[in-house]
Amino acid sequence: DAKTTQPTSMDCAEGRAANLPCNHSTISGNEYVYWYRQIHSQGPQYIIHGLKNNETNEMASLIITEDRKSSTLILPHATLRDTAVYYCIVPRHTGTASKLTFGTGTRLQVTL
Amino acid sequence: SAVISQKPSRDICQRGTSLTIQCQVDSQVTMMFWYRQQPGQSLTLIATANQGSEATYESGFVIDKFPISRPNLTFSTLTVSNMSPEDSSIYLCSAGAGGGEAFFGQGTRLTVV
Repeated sequence: DAKTTQPTSMDCAEGRAANLPCNHSTISGNEYVYWYRQIHSQGPQYIIHGLKNNETNEMASLIITEDRKSSTLILPHATLRDTAVYYCIVPRHTGTASKLTFGTGTRLQVTL
Repeated sequence: SAVISQKPSRDICQRGTSLTIQCQVDSQVTMMFWYRQQPGQSLTLIATANQGSEATYESGFVIDKFPISRPNLTFSTLTVSNMSPEDSSIYLCSAGAGGGEAFFGQGTRLTVV
């Protein structure tokens, strides 16, 4: 299983871009990187995923390095509602399903 | 996307008793999972709820303690049996098509006294 490493916590000023890094140096060539977040007292929420190309959706952008050993989740204009724990996950494939292993994640605090 | 409803949202239970948590999805899904989130910790996968067959448990979790049912493609239950204070956690249901994109319920906050 590909292990991911993230900083424990980060701060970001409201309105600025939040850049959350993730290291996944043991990722295999066909494994995707997924990002989830968990706002306090809520279930996790899917954000975005990618394989090798950069991806963007209405929530965030995902930048994956060319060697695929790391990625960065970008929240372009962070708001207070983006305060959450962000998880970078490389799902574990078992033949019939992809299983998510949640690490400790990055606790993002967005401040005024 | 899928909307997942869990019942109850919270409960306080006596040690030695059992609690059954229900998870209802608003559409048919291939995969359903149960997680535990202990206080201040990350999520840990308990098991995969398989429709029409026994659940697949992760290391450290057993059927006698956490029996799971999945009678159809939209519903599953998790029972926490013979509870002790160490079982006080948030229990979350998730569902998805089988890939890495999954949807989660709001969780059931269980306190065992």
